[in-house]
Amino acid sequence: GESVGLHLPTLSVQEGDNSIINCAYSNSASDYFIWYKQESGKGPQFIIDIRSNMDKRQGQRVTVLLNKTVKHLSLQIAATQPGDSAVYFCAEKMGISWGKLQFGAGTQVVVTP
Amino acid sequence: KAGVTQTPRYLIKTRGQQVTLSCSPISGHRSVSWYQQTPGQGLQFLFEYFSETQRNKGNFPGRFSGRQFSNSRSEMNVSTLELGDSALYLCASMLTGAGQETQYFGPGTRLLVL
Repeated sequence: GESVGLHLPTLSVQEGDNSIINCAYSNSASDYFIWYKQESGKGPQFIIDIRSNMDKRQGQRVTVLLNKTVKHLSLQIAATQPGDSAVYFCAEKMGISWGKLQFGAGTQVVVTP
Repeated sequence: KAGVTQTPRYLIKTRGQQVTLSCSPISGHRSVSWYQQTPGQGLQFLFEYFSETQRNKGNFPGRFSGRQFSNSRSEMNVSTLELGDSALYLCASMLTGAGQETQYFGPGTRLLVL
């Protein structure tokens, strides 16, 4: 029979353009958020994180924005490259322990030449 | 520094069997967390171990268990396997301490239950 799975939203981006991936989180008390990238056949790879006392954090070609008012997180990738094609997950720390993360469903990013 | 390693990478079992998966954290990391990834449920937290003690547990049945050794290596066990246990099992390690709370993931163990 047909398998039912999470419907991953897909973002198609042309090489060289900027990408914006959005994520809504659930717990207004969450104080730590993290973005991971997962390529096919691999485990999630850390991209960037942000604590709730910040609104913005920048890394190499990536920027994370946090809007606590509407519980929204976004990841911006500048000058998207073919190697950026992957599934991107946002995650929030659950409770007081750093070792327990709740993940979003993920966004599939496809970079076209 | 070597990353998180997981063994085996692939595993095929039949219903009713049990399975043990192994995770070696990054050197110096004392926290190990386990996650299950399926197409239907996404990434779900199983449990976390720190200094050989289970520190957190997710909403999984008692058939899922784990342990951590004194060298921080961790194993997880699933008894009486069900078809729905087919998944990618991911292990993540973390260097605890102020400003050092990022979890780094291994490549996962792909379990297929027939």
